[in-house]
Amino acid sequence: EPEVTQTPSHQVTQMGQEVILRCVPISNHLYFYWYRQILGQKVEFLVSFYNNEISEKSEIFDDQFSVERPDGSNFTLKIRSTKLEDSAMYFCASKQGTLVNTEAFFGQGTRLTVV
Amino acid sequence: KQEVTQIPAALSVPEGENLVLNCSFTDSAIYNLQWFRQDPGKGLTSLLLIQSSQREQTSGRLNASLDKSSGRSTLYIAASQPGDSATYLCAVGQTDSWGKLQFGAGTQVVVTP
Repeated sequence: EPEVTQTPSHQVTQMGQEVILRCVPISNHLYFYWYRQILGQKVEFLVSFYNNEISEKSEIFDDQFSVERPDGSNFTLKIRSTKLEDSAMYFCASKQGTLVNTEAFFGQGTRLTVV
Repeated sequence: KQEVTQIPAALSVPEGENLVLNCSFTDSAIYNLQWFRQDPGKGLTSLLLIQSSQREQTSGRLNASLDKSSGRSTLYIAASQPGDSATYLCAVGQTDSWGKLQFGAGTQVVVTP
């Protein structure tokens, strides 16, 4: 069964360093998302991406964050200068063609630890 | 602003009992609602999707209902098993967004043998 794949599963980085989280969405999906979950808190929306551009972003998604779909298969989230409060589980998700009647499929997540 | 609430926050039942998990949302302008399962430290597994025009959706032992006008959804899990132990999340898709999901905090379920 097709699945969303995320790498790495766990990343430890020093404060101020740049990190890139990688995702391979399901191949025929058109809508792509990043969410995060701080330990013990709700899953929060970060950004949606459609037709090679950001379609919506939350207040969390500030200038330190960026997304890219460089080659038609990978979808990346970059954090330019990590802060301690960026420590969280980051989930990538994708959806097929229509918004109403298609499920969002999530990857297994990347646990980011900023020290 | 949409608020999604799940009650109870935690639930423990003996094996074989039926589970009833509740989800409420404040803004009825949704196009769908999705239930997920999350195991500790793991990703989100989609269980059921209900479109806003539907009242109910079933998959095996799982049945989810949706009452959009009252802002409620209920997930029923029949004849619970220890393998059903997990956190269950509901998430709503807003009509004014590009598929963004707004999540509840989840109900942590323990099924004891």
